[in-house]
Amino acid sequence: NAGVTQTPKFQVLKTGQSMTLQCAQDMNHNSMYWYRQDPGMGLRLIYYSASEGTTDKGEVPNGYNVSRLNKREFSLRLESAAPSQTSVYFCASSALQFHEQYFGPGTRLTVT
Amino acid sequence: SQKIEQNSEALNIQEGKTATLTCNYTNYSPAYLQWYRQDPGRGPVFLLLIRENEKEKRKERLKVTFDTTLKQSLFHITASQPADSATYLCALDTGFQKLVFGTGTRLLVSP
Repeated sequence: NAGVTQTPKFQVLKTGQSMTLQCAQDMNHNSMYWYRQDPGMGLRLIYYSASEGTTDKGEVPNGYNVSRLNKREFSLRLESAAPSQTSVYFCASSALQFHEQYFGPGTRLTVT
Repeated sequence: SQKIEQNSEALNIQEGKTATLTCNYTNYSPAYLQWYRQDPGRGPVFLLLIRENEKEKRKERLKVTFDTTLKQSLFHITASQPADSATYLCALDTGFQKLVFGTGTRLLVSP
């Protein structure tokens, strides 16, 4: 079992470029999440998907879109990257909401 | 406003001692509270979950308490080891189907 995988591990973008962060889990979990982590701010929820076919906004959704492609995969898209989106992005999954979450290794994104 | 507070200063203790980390919250009424460990450059790893009707939960050298009156959770590591050095995050449900994480407390255990 790979658990939660994320690609890419590192990415540098120029302001205005777009990209998609990929996340997949092989634990048959229903719920998936995208967080960003910034120094001194902790983990902040961007979007989540309680179950396949549903997505909802978290605390900081502006500038992002998500797709729950199937039960395994949940992608995060930046349509027009901004320096304020420089961060470490984590994907997580859980069997059900409020159960323990399993995190991926993270994507370190720099926007110049 | 709603807040979760963890001590932002690092906690330094000697090997073998008990480490106690604090998580305080205001304006939440969580049904669950969770603790995670995060090592540098890695994703958080789940440690323990405690429900509002549970006062205490244990797992090996770890113990968590949850006082809904004080709005506080304490996380204890007994017989601490240098390998326990990491950042520890608390997280609680907000009642709106979302978890909110604290900023974490860094623990340093010296030999």
